[in-house]
Amino acid sequence: DADVTQTPRNRITKTGKRIMLECSQTKGHDRMYWYRQDPGLGLRLIYYSFDVKDINKGEISDGYSVSRQAQAKFSLSLESAIPNQTALYFCATSGRRVIAGSTDTQYFGPGTRLTVL
Amino acid sequence: SQQGEEDPQALSIQEGENATMNCSYKTSINNLQWYRQNSGRGLVHLILIRSNEREKHSGRLRVTLDTSKKSSSLLITASRAADTASYFCALNRDSNYKLTFGKGTLLTVNP
Repeated sequence: DADVTQTPRNRITKTGKRIMLECSQTKGHDRMYWYRQDPGLGLRLIYYSFDVKDINKGEISDGYSVSRQAQAKFSLSLESAIPNQTALYFCATSGRRVIAGSTDTQYFGPGTRLTVL
Repeated sequence: SQQGEEDPQALSIQEGENATMNCSYKTSINNLQWYRQNSGRGLVHLILIRSNEREKHSGRLRVTLDTSKKSSSLLITASRAADTASYFCALNRDSNYKLTFGKGTLLTVNP
């Protein structure tokens, strides 16, 4: 979805390096998410943010940190990359809740393929 | 496990045939969503079904939900080669907007 962009699209780095993945959205959504995808494991939630001042850990946050610089920008950092962080990383967004008891669908960026050597 | 489990893991059919994928889960849900992923690309939302709904349609897609059996199925009718992709079910278990994704079903539609 062109409304959610991720940079870089591909990155190869070495163990111990600090890496930042960036996500920008033009959908005007409040909520943003970072996932990683590994073969055979589906998507797992790393961090999520419901607005600029609200950031929450997901199921696999160890080794990662995030920054919500603005409503439209959400960055994921690997402070000291390790090989088992090699994966496909996705950013996603969703809008405000409009119906009690439901949630909006999520819109995904194209992904960043990260390889840690 | 808090995630849905898709079945089968892989499915290969001929163009024009119907494809059925299933998702089973163990916890109560607010809604269940289906997403498609073309190889290496971002996921695309297909359809959302709420816990108080039993069936929804969208074009060639039909989704059913049986909360008593904690299962959902996605039916794609008259499949096309362009339907070749991985299909994921995603669970919204409470009111906090988070989704938990299954491991997916890889559908191959042969021309």
